Amino acid sequence: DAKTTQPTSMDCAEGRAANLPCNHSTISGNEYVYWYRQIHSQGPQYIIHGLKNNETNEMASLIITEDRKSSTLILPHATLRDTAVYYCIVRVSTGAGSYQLTFGKGTKLSVIP
Amino acid sequence: NAGVMQNPRHLVRRRGQEARLRCSPMKGHSHVYWYRQLPEEGLKFMVYLQKENIIDESGMPKERFSAEFPKEGPSILRIQQVVRGDSAAYFCASSPPFFRGGTDTQYFGPGTRLTVL
Repeated sequence: DAKTTQPTSMDCAEGRAANLPCNHSTISGNEYVYWYRQIHSQGPQYIIHGLKNNETNEMASLIITEDRKSSTLILPHATLRDTAVYYCIVRVSTGAGSYQLTFGKGTKLSVIP
Repeated sequence: NAGVMQNPRHLVRRRGQEARLRCSPMKGHSHVYWYRQLPEEGLKFMVYLQKENIIDESGMPKERFSAEFPKEGPSILRIQQVVRGDSAAYFCASSPPFFRGGTDTQYFGPGTRLTVL
């Protein structure tokens, strides 16, 4: 699976949009971009994933550049409960054999009152 | 619609004892994955199982660790003769069966925190 690069930490004011970037310049055509977060020491929580189109769900939006070499996770109105470590993971999906999730160091997002 | 369940949530063992960690996947999920998170580190893949089969155990330590996912009941991660270095959080994830055009998103449980004294 392709390697990802994320900033170590970010701050965001409560109520504002949090934009978390991720670089994945070596991504292959059949690799998806997944985002998880880990709040304190809880289990990782799935947020969203996408292949090449932008995606939106009740938690967040995922914007993937046209060349697919980078993406941005957007939390539209950050709350204190969104303070967590956010992981961007690139992997092949759908039974192609690459099922391991490789967690890097992620981005520690701090939402500030 | 219950999520992935793990028990116990906290487990304390003395060196040399055995630890058994249980994972019940989400309803309809037949694939189970175990990950370990050492203090201040990211999650590391250990093993991937389907019902009654180990598909990939490339991340498992060669000795003392074993995993199973029987036809009936939860998946079990077993650590024999625990040592202090086994102290970590162990997370289980599950995913649905693969199907063409779908994705096998993994959903995680709350984890079991193992402390070895």
